[in-house]
Amino acid sequence: IAGITQAPTSQILAAGRRMTLRCTQDMRHNAMYWYRQDLGLGLRLIHYSNTAGTTGKGEVPDGYSVSRANTDDFPLTLASAVPSQTSVYFCASSDLWGTQYFGPGTRLTVL
Amino acid sequence: AQSVAQPEDQVNVAEGNPLTVKCTYSVSGNPYLFWYVQYPNRGLQFLLKYITGDNLVKGSYGFEAEFNKSQTSFHLKKPSALVSDSALYFCAVRDGGGNNRKLIWGLGTSLAVNP
Repeated sequence: IAGITQAPTSQILAAGRRMTLRCTQDMRHNAMYWYRQDLGLGLRLIHYSNTAGTTGKGEVPDGYSVSRANTDDFPLTLASAVPSQTSVYFCASSDLWGTQYFGPGTRLTVL
Repeated sequence: AQSVAQPEDQVNVAEGNPLTVKCTYSVSGNPYLFWYVQYPNRGLQFLLKYITGDNLVKGSYGFEAEFNKSQTSFHLKKPSALVSDSALYFCAVRDGGGNNRKLIWGLGTSLAVNP
């Protein structure tokens, strides 16, 4: 069982380019989340999805979009990357109790 | 407002000594409380949770945490620290049950265990 997989592991991106971070889970969890982690700021929720077909905004959604076409996949898209989006991005899914399980992360640098 | 506080940015402890990483919370309903650990360049790993029942919860790697409702705290403890316990620790809370499973996160505490 892989749990949560994320791709790519790391990426250097020119400002203004479009980028999709991929996230796949094999635990059949309904809820999924995207976070960014920045030094001193902890984890900040970007977008979430309580079930396939629905999404919601977290605390820092601007510049990001998500889709949830099925239970397993939850891609995060940066339509036009900016340097302030340089961060480590984590995808997670949660069970019915709210325990979240995290992927290994994507380290994104926007130049 | 819902919130989680980890009052110490860093905790230093000698190997073999007991360790405590503090967490306090504020929610309107019954709290579901969680601890996670993050090793360098890795994702967060679940350690333990409190939903209901016994106030002392045991988790992975010999860690335990005590739920204290009157002090709204959920401190993480280990009787004897290992150098390999050095990592970043996060406390999180969910405000009761229902469909909203989002967690409110603390900013993390860096634990350094010195040999």
